[in-house]
Amino acid sequence: RKEVEQDPGPFNVPEGATVAFNCTYSNSASQSFFWYRQDCRKEPKLLMSVYSSGNEDGRFTAQLNRASQYISLLIRDSKLSDSATYLCVVNGVETGGFKTIFGAGTRLFVKA
Amino acid sequence: ETGVTQSPTHLIKTRGQQVTLRCSSQSGHNTVSWYQQALGQGPQFIFQYYREEENGRGNFPPRFSGLQFPNYSSELNVNALELDDSALYLCASSLDTGGATDTQYFGPGTRLTVL
Repeated sequence: RKEVEQDPGPFNVPEGATVAFNCTYSNSASQSFFWYRQDCRKEPKLLMSVYSSGNEDGRFTAQLNRASQYISLLIRDSKLSDSATYLCVVNGVETGGFKTIFGAGTRLFVKA
Repeated sequence: ETGVTQSPTHLIKTRGQQVTLRCSSQSGHNTVSWYQQALGQGPQFIFQYYREEENGRGNFPPRFSGLQFPNYSSELNVNALELDDSALYLCASSLDTGGATDTQYFGPGTRLTVL
């Protein structure tokens, strides 16, 4: 089982749609969680941090469920510019020290 | 822009050669992490440096090594290059506040091709 798993998609949605991504992680001791966005052939850019209490930034809402070990990202009113790959990220401190694990990414295409 | 810079932007090497990639952290950041991203995959954690010491390492062989300098800039060195080392190499800087919660900011990456 991969340490961090995401549905690779692609998700093809029309403008204005609401779309949700989930990401599961295996290490229950993981400490921090993020969603990054990556455009084709570019570096990942921070979208938002993820907290158990939920985190909302405009059209984007992220949630952490520690009991079930998954994080989610909800995008409302999708825009063409939301087309990208969305990466979930899990940080933790293990025996060998700090470790960051990225999911393989979920591809989103928003069409007019 | 994140303020994290990397050089060079592109590089072509042959099998068996050695390569050094460079990263300049965002001002005020004391931690740098390096990642390898193959086409169609998420970034894979290579290692992290905090105040010039290795602070954590992923599943990469010893021929992947690094340095962090007093000004917090960093190098990634890869010896005995293999074809599978062809990838985008990303560095990310963060301000370590003592936990694993720190947000990382990425540079634009170096695209390495090994022939």
